[in-house]
Amino acid sequence: GENVEQHPSTLSVQEGDSAVIKCTYSDSASNYFPWYKQELGKGPQLIIDIRSNVGEKKDQRIAVTLNKTAKHFSLHITETQPEDSAVYFCAPDREGSGNTGKLIFGQGTTLQVKP
Amino acid sequence: DAGVTQSPTHLIKTRGQHVTLRCSPISGHKSVSWYQQVLGQGPQFIFQYYEKEERGRGNFPDRFSARQFPNYSSELNVNALLLGDSALYLCASSPWTAVGQPQHFGDGTRLSIL
Repeated sequence: GENVEQHPSTLSVQEGDSAVIKCTYSDSASNYFPWYKQELGKGPQLIIDIRSNVGEKKDQRIAVTLNKTAKHFSLHITETQPEDSAVYFCAPDREGSGNTGKLIFGQGTTLQVKP
Repeated sequence: DAGVTQSPTHLIKTRGQHVTLRCSPISGHKSVSWYQQVLGQGPQFIFQYYEKEERGRGNFPDRFSARQFPNYSSELNVNALLLGDSALYLCASSPWTAVGQPQHFGDGTRLSIL
């Protein structure tokens, strides 16, 4: 089955700095790559996603880059703000019998943005 | 528009009891998935239902069951509760089951087993 790893497990940055979280996956058939943000007491919320035919996608301060050859994708947050503090999860997905809609999450990265 | 709603928000049970958790998907969404999130870990897939049929099942024992109703709401049932079942149970909905359909999560039910 799919093996998903995130690095680092915790990340502490000063407000205004950039943060990068990397997700490595094992299933070469994965073709959908979302990032979720989970705040304390809340469910995960999709913040950005990318499909395998695109190498990079940006949405204001957030971007995702994909390297299909190396089987990893990364979340980039620029000009970090205290409200970016949360746990971030990657969840690569693929088409295939029985797998559609079944997300396999990484173990999460706790991001702390210090004011 | 209302998001995914789950009830109850918190629940305390004792070992051996059973529990029913409920989920209402976003209006128009026909697919509902259930996840278990143990403290400090990522969510783990339990079930997916689409059009009232089970479309996927994760690696969970038969004590876990679910169903989806004609209005697309869903219930997750857990029998013979164990201490290890203590977790946040998340429900997610999407319009259909195709890959790349963003899943929208509720805020979960926090289940504590004493």
